[in-house]
Order: sequence, then C-alpha cells, then structure tokens
Amino acid sequence: DGGITQSPKYLFRKEGQNVTLSCEQNLNHDAMYWYRQDPGQGLRLIYYSQIVNDFQKGDIAEGYSVSREKKESFPLTVTSAQKNPTAFYLCASSTGQGLYTEAFFGQGTRLTVV
Amino acid sequence: AQTVTQSQPEMSVQEAETVTLSCTYDTSESDYYLFWYKQPPSRQMILVIRQEAYKQQNATENRFSVNFQKAAKSFSLKISDSQLGDAAMYFCAYNRGFGQNFVFGPGTRLSVLP
Repeated sequence: DGGITQSPKYLFRKEGQNVTLSCEQNLNHDAMYWYRQDPGQGLRLIYYSQIVNDFQKGDIAEGYSVSREKKESFPLTVTSAQKNPTAFYLCASSTGQGLYTEAFFGQGTRLTVV
Repeated sequence: AQTVTQSQPEMSVQEAETVTLSCTYDTSESDYYLFWYKQPPSRQMILVIRQEAYKQQNATENRFSVNFQKAAKSFSLKISDSQLGDAAMYFCAYNRGFGQNFVFGPGTRLSVLP
C-alpha cells in the first residue's frame, strides 16, 4: 500500500541532544513537508521541499534541519538549539503537480524532552 | 502572506443534526485550493473535502459540503446528519498549488452529543 511512514511513533530526548525523525513515502510525490503541532493548536510549517536536493524554511525553522537526498525520504533533525521541542510532528507529501493536489500525512511522531 | 482563520475553537452538535464550521482566509492569488482536514483522536490527518477557487460550484462529499464565497474569502464546512465518528479537530487549509506549502488554520474541535 502506498503511503507515508513516520518513525518512531514516540521519541524521548534528553536536553542538549539532537534527534532525527524519519519520514519515508512511496507515493512518488515530489513535494514533502514537516509540520509541528502543539496541544490544541494548528499545524505550523517547519520546512518543505519541492524537489530532491532542495528545501525551504517554513515559519518556525529555527532549531531544526532537514535533508532531501532521495525523493522518498525527508528526515527532520531537531537540534539542541530548539528550546522547546516537545510537540507532535507531522510529515506530509503532495504531488506538487498542478493545483488539484492534497497533502497526504504520516501518523506523526510525538517528541518529548526528558 | 497567506493566513487562515477559524473563529470557532470549539463546537458541539447533536447526533443526526447539522453543523457548520467557519473558515476565512486571506490571499492575493486568483487561483488556489482550499481543503478541510479532519484529525480524530488517533491524530491521523484525513482529507474531508477540497475546493478549487475558480470553480463556482460548491464541493460536496456525501454528508460534507462547503459554502465557498470567493469574494468574501470564506470557506465553511457543513456536516449533515452528524455521527459520533465525526467528533474530531477540523482544520481548514489553503494551498497555492505547484508544490507550495499548505497553510492551516488553528482548528475547530467538534463534539458530537448522543
């Protein structure tokens, strides 16, 4: 089945550590996105990528980094510079072709700083 | 910058009744896409319905329909014959297309009362 896989589902990080969240899609989509969701709030864009080896900062990119070396993969690293990383992280992809497109989402990763 | 506003943080509806969720957006583009996503307690984002801006006819998907008022930049979601499974967070979203990022509203939490 085609879809987006995020792993792990739950992640615990000690303060001062970097952690990487995985996002893989087999939908052959060009565009991929990372969103952060805090309790009771909407989705805020961290980074997005329209094609391989290219990505753009979103509204809250500080303290995060990404790479897009393969079309299928768009990992997100939460660095120690991110002061409040505890949140729910959602990865999404879309065809990036034409206007009649939708975002397909993974099941999310819940990151907690301990 | 594009923004999406949902003025109702929480709403409730009696089972089998009809409810309307509001959404307004701000854009200077002439063509774009609008979406309603549902996020149940599982936190999986599910597309409910979408609307292309240049199409005047309101989109309908079974019990879900929209009232799209382009001049007013309004995009409300009507849920008819509400069911217990409709209880979720509902997010309105905007996309300019061609791999551009999706902008989400803050969400409306819908409760369905038996």
